[in-house]
Amino acid sequence: EPEVTQTPSHQVTQMGQEVILRCVPISNHLYFYWYRQILGQKVEFLVSFYNNEISEKSEIFDDQFSVERPDGSNFTLKIRSTKLEDSAMYFCASLGPGETQYFGPGTRLLVL
Amino acid sequence: RKEVEQDPGPFNVPEGATVAFNCTYSNSASQSFFWYRQDCRKEPKLLMSVYSSGNEDGRFTAQLNRASQYISLLIRDSKLSDSATYLCVVNSGSNYKLTFGKGTLLTVNP
Repeated sequence: EPEVTQTPSHQVTQMGQEVILRCVPISNHLYFYWYRQILGQKVEFLVSFYNNEISEKSEIFDDQFSVERPDGSNFTLKIRSTKLEDSAMYFCASLGPGETQYFGPGTRLLVL
Repeated sequence: RKEVEQDPGPFNVPEGATVAFNCTYSNSASQSFFWYRQDCRKEPKLLMSVYSSGNEDGRFTAQLNRASQYISLLIRDSKLSDSATYLCVVNSGSNYKLTFGKGTLLTVNP
């Protein structure tokens, strides 16, 4: 069964550093998403991506965040200058049949 | 009012028990409804979609009441492996973005 993959599984970084989180969505899916989950809190929508551009973004997705699909398979989330409050689990998802989103295993980001 | 609100829990039940989860949503324009489960430190995984007519998948039954903006999930004959956080999830906008409830933790005890 095809699945969404994410790398790395864990990332530790210093405040102010740039991080890039990588995702490979399911190959025939067209909509891609990033969500985050701060420890103990609910899963929150960050951004959706369709037809090689951002289709919607949340208030959380400020100028420090960017997304890219650099080739036909990877989908990346970049945080330009990380803050302590960016520490969270970041999930990538892609949209399949029945409007069902399939989530990757997540990247746990810790900003020190 | 929170967009998606769930029973805060946690629920602790013995094996074989029936357990019900309740959820309300605030956006009356919401189109699609789901229950996901999330194991500790893992990704959300789709348990089932929820349809207006109600739907059943084995021991799991989901109901939707659009007039009351209410969604429910019933688990019958609960198993140890059902222990997880159950997430009520709503698709209420364009671009199919999902809005999550905070989740209800279920622990099934032997």
